[in-house]
Amino acid sequence: NAGVTQTPKFQVLKTGQSMTLQCAQDMNHNSMYWYRQDPGMGLRLIYYSASEGTTDKGEVPNGYNVSRLNKREFSLRLESAAPSQTSVYFCASSRDRGRQPQHFGDGTRLSIL
Amino acid sequence: AQTVTQSQPEMSVQEAETVTLSCTYDTSENNYYLFWYKQPPSRQMILVIRQEAYKQQNATENRFSVNFQKAAKSFSLKISDSQLGDTAMYFCAFIYNTDKLIFGTGTRLQVFP
Repeated sequence: NAGVTQTPKFQVLKTGQSMTLQCAQDMNHNSMYWYRQDPGMGLRLIYYSASEGTTDKGEVPNGYNVSRLNKREFSLRLESAAPSQTSVYFCASSRDRGRQPQHFGDGTRLSIL
Repeated sequence: AQTVTQSQPEMSVQEAETVTLSCTYDTSENNYYLFWYKQPPSRQMILVIRQEAYKQQNATENRFSVNFQKAAKSFSLKISDSQLGDTAMYFCAFIYNTDKLIFGTGTRLQVFP
């Protein structure tokens, strides 16, 4: 079982470039999430999608956009990358909202020069 | 606002010994869920254990158990018979009736032979 698959695993960008991080899950989950992980700060929610066709802002949405393409896929886009967006990005999914455990992908390490 | 605090940035334990990782949280909600996630050097986030706040019985998963003290808002993780493969970052997380999983800053656990 693949679970949650993120691509790419590593990426280096120059300031001002754009990029889309891809995420797909094969567990038929309704809810999907994007987090960023910075040293000493744990994971912080960027955006989430409670169900197909809906998206909502999380704790740190500025500088990002998302698209819930279908039930399986949830992409995160950086329109104009900034060095402050250097981080490890995790996609996650859960069966439903709230109390269901979230299942995580392996993360994307993104460096903005 | 909901917060999760892990006051131990780093812990170490000898193989086969027992170690307890601390977590406290702050909420005015009554019905919520708590999780411990493990992040090994491979970076993947792995669910270790889950506790539902309305259940008084402490959750157990093999060598992992929690001490859930609702009144004290404490949720510690005990790892018995520690193994080298337990070396990882451990994150405590909290969620109530929303999609926002709130993470602590993590505890780095090193298991020594």
